Amino acid sequence: GENVEQHPSTLSVQEGDSAVIKCTYSDSASNYFPWYKQELGKRPQLIIDIRSNVGEKKDQRIAVTLNKTAKHFSLHITETQPEDSAVYFCAAGYNNNDMRFGAGTRLTVKP
Amino acid sequence: DAGVIQSPRHEVTEMGQEVTLRCKPISGHNSLFWYRQTMMRGLELLIYFNNNVPIDDSGMPEDRFSAKMPNASFSTLKIQPSEPRDSAVYFCASSLGSYNEQFFGPGTRLTVL
Repeated sequence: GENVEQHPSTLSVQEGDSAVIKCTYSDSASNYFPWYKQELGKRPQLIIDIRSNVGEKKDQRIAVTLNKTAKHFSLHITETQPEDSAVYFCAAGYNNNDMRFGAGTRLTVKP
Repeated sequence: DAGVIQSPRHEVTEMGQEVTLRCKPISGHNSLFWYRQTMMRGLELLIYFNNNVPIDDSGMPEDRFSAKMPNASFSTLKIQPSEPRDSAVYFCASSLGSYNEQFFGPGTRLTVL
């Protein structure tokens, strides 16, 4: 089955700096790669996703890149703000079935 | 839209008791997922349904866990008997088909004493 590894486990940046979170996956059949943000005590919420026919996707300050050959994908947040502080999860799966999640990255943005 | 609805939001029970968690997916969604989240194991997929049919239950940890979806608007996750190591937050999520975003419910925080 799919195995997803996520790094780093914690990340602290200064407000205005960029943050990058990286994930690798094992199953070459996976074609759907979402990123979720989870604030303390809240539910995970999708912030961006990418499918295997696309190498990069951007939505305002958030971008995701996918390298299918190397089986890794990354989340990039630019101009970070304190409200970006949360735990971020990557996931991989065939469509959205049987998705496996990474262990999460706790991002802290210091004002 | 009310989103995915889960009940109860918090459950405290004693070891050996039966626990039933409930989920109402977003109306019109035909895929439903049950997850468990703990600090040690992260977010784990337990089981998912397509059109009310269980597709993959390989994530269900033991025979003590069972899930049903009797109709398109209701699902249950049952633990019998419960054990302290079952303490976790259980999330239900739903999506429209296999190609779209999963929407998570608010979760049920289960504590087994």
